[in-house]
Amino acid sequence: GQNIDQPTEMTATEGAIVQINCTYQTSGFNGLFWYQQHAGEAPTFLSYNVLDGLEEKGRFSSFLSRSKGYSYLLLKELQMKDSASYLCAVVDSNYQLIWGAGTKLIIKP
Amino acid sequence: GAVVSQHPSWVICKSGTSVKIECRSLDFQATTMFWYRQFPKQSLMLMATSNEGSKATYEQGVEKDKFLINHASLTLSTLTVTSAHPEDSSFYICSARASGEVDEQFFGPGTRLTVL
Repeated sequence: GQNIDQPTEMTATEGAIVQINCTYQTSGFNGLFWYQQHAGEAPTFLSYNVLDGLEEKGRFSSFLSRSKGYSYLLLKELQMKDSASYLCAVVDSNYQLIWGAGTKLIIKP
Repeated sequence: GAVVSQHPSWVICKSGTSVKIECRSLDFQATTMFWYRQFPKQSLMLMATSNEGSKATYEQGVEKDKFLINHASLTLSTLTVTSAHPEDSSFYICSARASGEVDEQFFGPGTRLTVL
């Protein structure tokens, strides 16, 4: 079967760095998305990785290792507004999205 | 975990035809279902929110007569794209929120629509 694993909840301190991991087992791979979703709002696109390596976008970076079936989202200089759920989604060989359950990130002052 | 399915996975149709997409919550009851549209490498755009047994609430700019939403049961919502045109080609994704849950949504795998 197809499976995406990410931690259910994480807590971090304002100003710190946090890494949210995502591991996947899917039938084929055509890219991996990270989305941010605040409660009651639609998910917001953060990143799309299809090649191995690290992609940096401001305070957010995303890493992919296809051979390990692994990705992480790195958030630096955490702000209170970063409190949200972070969703990992993989595009499989049929171009279907396989969604992780999301990681709820709680930022404390 | 909670599973949401969509059918069909992909569909190709001629311009002017109507296409129905189903969204089902397989192992839980969903009082609220959401329909999104996604363009390549962009955020999901919320089209409408549907509550079981009542009319859907459409986001600004979404034509309710073109995108018909029906949420007839606690496990099924349908989106019908009427008189589809090439510009309607997109990836349509639904999500479902379980009864009693405030902020947890479960997403479907999406339906890729191509209008020729």
